[in-house]
Amino acid sequence: GDSVTQMEGPVTLSEEAFLTINCTYTATGYPSLFWYVQYPGEGLQLLLKATKADDKGSNKGFEATYRKETTSFHLEKGSVQVSDSAVYFCALSGSSNTGKLIFGQGTTLQVKP
Amino acid sequence: GAGVSQTPSNKVTEKGKYVELRCDPISGHTALYWYRQSLGQGPEFLIYFQGTGAADDSGLPNDRFFAVRPEGSVSTLKIQRTERGDSAVYLCASSLDGNYGYTFGSGTRLTVV
Repeated sequence: GDSVTQMEGPVTLSEEAFLTINCTYTATGYPSLFWYVQYPGEGLQLLLKATKADDKGSNKGFEATYRKETTSFHLEKGSVQVSDSAVYFCALSGSSNTGKLIFGQGTTLQVKP
Repeated sequence: GAGVSQTPSNKVTEKGKYVELRCDPISGHTALYWYRQSLGQGPEFLIYFQGTGAADDSGLPNDRFFAVRPEGSVSTLKIQRTERGDSAVYLCASSLDGNYGYTFGSGTRLTVV
């Protein structure tokens, strides 16, 4: 079945460091891909998405490119801030076309000043 | 309200008891989703409503779990004969028409003792 695998955390970086969080997927068909973020004490929020191969999603300085050849959707940011500390989830749209999402296990990011 | 509201925010119950978890979606959102998030894991899909009907309940783990949305707005997730393994955060999300632009609530943390 469809699945998402994320790099294990926690990831600890200093402010202004470059961030990469790896995400790979297994899916039938052509899923859409998403990154969600969960800040401490808050609900999950959509960070960015890409709906087809080679699309780049971007938001708040974060970017991810839908790579069909490597079945990947790695999250990157050039310069992280303390306020980016959160749990990041990679997800894909399920094959049933009902809006169902399949999530990875999440990666905790800690940014230190 | 402005967001998806879930009540209660925390629920502690004894093994074997019955619980109900409530979700108030954003007004006008026809699609409603329930997910379950265990500690250290990503959310797992439980059930999807389009209007009043359950369009996809493939994620419900067994017949102890049931959900309703009688008027196409508020939804209730019902768990009978709770087990310790049911302890998790139960997340609700809604979207305008079943697309992937979900808004998640902050969740109900269920602890079965």
